[in-house]
Amino acid sequence: DAMVIQNPRYQVTQFGKPVTLSCSQTLNHNVMYWYQQKSSQAPKLLFHYYDKDFNNEADTPDNFQSRRPNTSFCFLDIRSPGLGDAAMYLCATSRVGSRPGYTFGSGTRLTVV
Amino acid sequence: GIQVEQSPPDLILQEGANSTLRCNFSDSVNNLQWFHQNPWGQLINLFYIPSGTKQNGRLSATTVATERYSLLYISSSQTTDSGVYFCAVERLDTGNQFYFGTGTSLTVIP
Repeated sequence: DAMVIQNPRYQVTQFGKPVTLSCSQTLNHNVMYWYQQKSSQAPKLLFHYYDKDFNNEADTPDNFQSRRPNTSFCFLDIRSPGLGDAAMYLCATSRVGSRPGYTFGSGTRLTVV
Repeated sequence: GIQVEQSPPDLILQEGANSTLRCNFSDSVNNLQWFHQNPWGQLINLFYIPSGTKQNGRLSATTVATERYSLLYISSSQTTDSGVYFCAVERLDTGNQFYFGTGTSLTVIP
């Protein structure tokens, strides 16, 4: 089945140690998104790629970076994780002009120790 | 960005009861989706409904785009319906971003 896959499901990292989360998709969608969701809050958009064009939200901290080497893969890099970056990170994809809209991965739950 | 408000924020139901969740948005939108987030964090797409009415089993949804709101109906609720329900909206002229609502946390008790 076509899907959005996030690895790993759970990630523990040390304070200040760079960490990378990955997302892959078999849907051939041209848009990929990264969301951060903290406990009891709605998902918050960090950035998205429209094909190779990177679009950063104005309030996304510089500590967060992203790479999209090809259509299928997208990475979220946190350069120096702080305790406040502990959250669920959700990847989503969509194809502009198609239905039904977004498809989400299962998420990666990041713990910072 | 667009403001998306959901009500009620929390809801506790007896199994078998019906409920209506509401999503209000501050500007015209091109797309709207309803999601259910299960206890493990997975966001499951329920409806893609920029306008009109759709039904899927015990769930149905209605969006009145001209009045900027959408409703999600849950009938004969089951314990497996527990979780957080989000609506998310998109405006194509502001880029390909979906904006999430504040969510409704539903607990169905047996």
